[in-house]
Amino acid sequence: DAKTTQPNSMESNEEEPVHLPCNHSTISGTDYIHWYRQLPSQGPEYVIHGLTSNVNNRMASLAIAEDRKSSTLILHRATLRDAAVYYCIDGKGNSGYALNFGKGTSLLVTP
Amino acid sequence: GAGVSQTPSNKVTEKGKYVELRCDPISGHTALYWYRQSLGQGPEFLIYFQGTGAADDSGLPNDRFFAVRPEGSVSTLKIQRTERGDSAVYLCASSSGRSVQFFGPGTRLTVL
Repeated sequence: DAKTTQPNSMESNEEEPVHLPCNHSTISGTDYIHWYRQLPSQGPEYVIHGLTSNVNNRMASLAIAEDRKSSTLILHRATLRDAAVYYCIDGKGNSGYALNFGKGTSLLVTP
Repeated sequence: GAGVSQTPSNKVTEKGKYVELRCDPISGHTALYWYRQSLGQGPEFLIYFQGTGAADDSGLPNDRFFAVRPEGSVSTLKIQRTERGDSAVYLCASSSGRSVQFFGPGTRLTVL
């Protein structure tokens, strides 16, 4: 079973920021937090990952709580192309081997 | 460069038949993963290869499922005596060691 908890769905307006929450209360000290997303009819796509510090890349930002029991994926300006299912995964090592996906959060972006 | 490719994109078979699903990973990636995704669910891990050997096959549901990667590149997932419950999208991913996994588009298997 997935070790993370996410809302089933969220909705955002285009060009507004989106904050996708994730709870991972059983995470261990060496487990990274990974985010992948899956657009309709495609395989999952890597978004971002981190251990303790907040992380930024061209796609998104990852804010990790100080106790590491939760994190938030931030899309700074949602576009229609960001409509997807977003998965928060905790895994061992820099990536872990198997990714333990849950059901994710289905993000709807409206114009 | 080329990403992960999977063939066929769709496969329809009858209950009891044997099927093979192929995955071509990104060139040079030593790690290869198979996942299965049922409708409305997230992907579920099946098996992980490091080079030619299966390093973790704990996700294979039963002995009807088998996967090989004989030369450390292309992998084939084999399903014997298919059942209707095997219907799903089978995803393959590859990575360069312990790093980001790159997924293929998947093979949609339908067992009638």
